[in-house]
Amino acid sequence: DQQVKQNSPSLSVQEGRISILNCDYTNSMFDYFLWYKKYPAEGPTFLISISSIKDKNEDGRFTVFLNKSAKHLSLHIVPSQPGDSAVYFCAASRRGTGNQFYFGTGTSLTVIP
Amino acid sequence: DVKVTQSSRYLVKRTGEKVFLECVQDMDHENMFWYRQDPGLGLRLIYFSYDVKMKEKGDIPEGYSVSREKKERFSLILESASTNQTSMYLCASKAGREGTQYFGPGTRLLVL
Repeated sequence: DQQVKQNSPSLSVQEGRISILNCDYTNSMFDYFLWYKKYPAEGPTFLISISSIKDKNEDGRFTVFLNKSAKHLSLHIVPSQPGDSAVYFCAASRRGTGNQFYFGTGTSLTVIP
Repeated sequence: DVKVTQSSRYLVKRTGEKVFLECVQDMDHENMFWYRQDPGLGLRLIYFSYDVKMKEKGDIPEGYSVSREKKERFSLILESASTNQTSMYLCASKAGREGTQYFGPGTRLLVL
């Protein structure tokens, strides 16, 4: 059963606008969340993470928001750039109890110049 | 700089062949992982290892085995390749219980 879900398989955004990628999870024990970015024919690369003690984490153009009560997190990219076009995976884990990350199915972002 | 390498970027094998996928990390990480990525299914964990000679099944271990004889190397073995094992295989490593996973570039395997 999929514990981490990304319900939008794809998203298109104009350059300069905001991209919002969403992720939902079912396991309330998850306490660490991450976003990865993946270009074709490459492995995923870490983008940004957030601990469950926070509700927001920002790194340059990337901000991750966590809503624990809704079991929902989102990644905001602003302004979006053509080089951001990639597949984005969210992942969740329980820190300190094991090493397994649970990944969503990915959202393919296309930023249109 | 963190580095995870995989022995092949592309592989073509025949049904029934034994296939070895190798992964090497240079960061002295305790934990290593094998995933497969398929369209619409995301990354699914096959096996992981938290120490030399230790292994744990992930979500889809059937048809696969692993070997970790040295800390830096984690091998995925397809004992008898089947067409439904055609996929992108990704290796990752992670230090300790905290932190993120670092991925290799992936091996695209085609089983004919």
